[in-house]
Amino acid sequence: RKEVEQDPGPFNVPEGATVAFNCTYSNSASQSFFWYRQDCRKEPKLLMSVYSSGNEDGRFTAQLNRASQYISLLIRDSKLSDSATYLCVVNTGSSASKIIFGSGTRLSIRP
Amino acid sequence: GAGVSQTPSNKVTEKGKYVELRCDPISGHTALYWYRQSLGQGPEFLIYFQGTGAADDSGLPNDRFFAVRPEGSVSTLKIQRTERGDSAVYLCASSARTSGNTGELFFGEGSRLTVL
Repeated sequence: RKEVEQDPGPFNVPEGATVAFNCTYSNSASQSFFWYRQDCRKEPKLLMSVYSSGNEDGRFTAQLNRASQYISLLIRDSKLSDSATYLCVVNTGSSASKIIFGSGTRLSIRP
Repeated sequence: GAGVSQTPSNKVTEKGKYVELRCDPISGHTALYWYRQSLGQGPEFLIYFQGTGAADDSGLPNDRFFAVRPEGSVSTLKIQRTERGDSAVYLCASSARTSGNTGELFFGEGSRLTVL
């Protein structure tokens, strides 16, 4: 079983739609969680951290369910510029250590 | 610039050759990571340095791969006897955090390795 698993997509949704991505992780001792965004042929960049209580940043909402070892990302009112690959990221240690990326979920927003 | 710098940006080599990829992290960042990414896949963890020491090298696929960071800044990933399956983009990232929450990883633009 992979340490971090994501639905690879692709998700193809119209502009303005709401879309949700899911991610599961295998190591119950994992301490911190993130969503990164990667544009085609570019390096990954941090989108947002994921906190236990859930957190929101504009149109983006992240949720964490430790009991189910599950992370989600919700994008509301999607824009053309949201088209990218979204990477679920988990720090499997208690300190800055092994940071594992999921395989990514591709999102394409159509006009 | 002040970001993570990787060289070369592109490297084409023949099967069996030796390759070195260099990463210059953001100044002051103590944590440094190497990943490799194949088309359609997420970054695959290779090795993590905290300062000069390899804190976790469990992702290195075999003994042909080795990485160093002798002065706690620049790191070199070394690949011996390259194979066609080594072809990928090799990404380096650095982070300022040393414990607790990892903080943000800042990636370089990667070194694209092609083994013919």
